[in-house]
Amino acid sequence: DAKTTQPPSMDCAEGRAANLPCNHSTISGNEYVYWYRQIHSQGPQYIIHGLKNNETNEMASLIITEDRKSSTLILPHATLRDTAVYYCIAENSGGGADGLTFGKGTHLIIQP
Amino acid sequence: DVKVTQSSRYLVKRTGEKVFLECVQDMDHENMFWYRQDPGLGLRLIYFSYDVKMKEKGDIPEGYSVSREKKERFSLILESASTNQTSMYLCASSARGYGNQPQHFGDGTRLSIL
Repeated sequence: DAKTTQPPSMDCAEGRAANLPCNHSTISGNEYVYWYRQIHSQGPQYIIHGLKNNETNEMASLIITEDRKSSTLILPHATLRDTAVYYCIAENSGGGADGLTFGKGTHLIIQP
Repeated sequence: DVKVTQSSRYLVKRTGEKVFLECVQDMDHENMFWYRQDPGLGLRLIYFSYDVKMKEKGDIPEGYSVSREKKERFSLILESASTNQTSMYLCASSARGYGNQPQHFGDGTRLSIL
């Protein structure tokens, strides 16, 4: 799995868009970018994933650069409940046959 | 909606006890996983199963066993609990497929071994 780099922490005002960057400069062609988050004392929650194209679902949008070396997770209207540690992973199995490995992630704090 | 249910949120057991952690998923997923999560060590895979009665060791299987008699249920067994098995235990499931199957997690069981 490609190594990913994320800022250790970020703040965002409630109601604003939260943009979380992730660098995965060594990603290979068949590796997907996955985002998970973990709210304190809960299990990780899947958010979104993509290969090349930008993706959007009810929770977030994922923007992947054309060279696929970095991506941005966008929470369009952040709420206090979005305070969590966000993990970016680049891998090609979806954990289908291998376990997931989370790095240190980004601790996103939504300020009222 | 996807649902992975772990039998207990909090559990306290004594050293030497046999401990059972249960996990049930309602998504008809083929793959199921058991992890433990410890501060500073991140997520570590204990065992996974890709089908009924099938199991594979993960990174840290020592001291644990698993059982998968039905597709929806995956049990983690601590044969003789020890204090170093105090941890947060997470169960996850995913559909079979290549490169496009996210894992869905339960809320975890915080296990304390005294």
